[in-house]
Amino acid sequence: GESVGLHLPTLSVQEGDNSIINCAYSNSASDYFIWYKQESGKGPQFIIDIRSNMDKRQGQRVTVLLNKTVKHLSLQIAATQPGDSAVYFCAEIPPLQKLVFGTGTRLLVSP
Amino acid sequence: DGGITQSPKYLFRKEGQNVTLSCEQNLNHDAMYWYRQDPGQGLRLIYYSQIVNDFQKGDIAEGYSVSREKKESFPLTVTSAQKNPTAFYLCASSIARTANYGYTFGSGTRLTVV
Repeated sequence: GESVGLHLPTLSVQEGDNSIINCAYSNSASDYFIWYKQESGKGPQFIIDIRSNMDKRQGQRVTVLLNKTVKHLSLQIAATQPGDSAVYFCAEIPPLQKLVFGTGTRLLVSP
Repeated sequence: DGGITQSPKYLFRKEGQNVTLSCEQNLNHDAMYWYRQDPGQGLRLIYYSQIVNDFQKGDIAEGYSVSREKKESFPLTVTSAQKNPTAFYLCASSIARTANYGYTFGSGTRLTVV
């Protein structure tokens, strides 16, 4: 079946560093990808998305990179802050199908 | 403000009881979803509904039931047949029957069996 996986279950960084969270997806037909942030005890919140006709998209302090050749997605967070500490999920959406979530990466930011 | 509301935030269930989790959205979204999240784990799909009066089983539907009598509401019942119901339950909605616009999530209900 379809699956989305993450390389690192936990990422620890120092405040001010740049963070990179990686995700491998399995369905080469997926044409839409989303990163969600989930803080403890809360629902996931949308961070940034990217469509398959792009390879990079930037938001405020976040950048998503898409490499369709190797089916890899990454989320870069610039100048990581303690408030960025959370679990980050990638998700892929194949055409006309439901969203498929990855297992998540926990980001721990130390002051 | 438009959004998706889950209630209650915390729920305690005795062995053998059925409990119902509420999910309401005022986003005019067609599709709604229920996920279960265990500690340190990802999200697993329980049920989803793409249109009123229709719903489909997800990956872990056993021991759960849903209804979709109104577009705005998608309650989830955790039945006594669910042997390990303690988990964090998340409801989501999407604008279309496909996920091409992503999902909006509620704030979750934490269910504990006592």
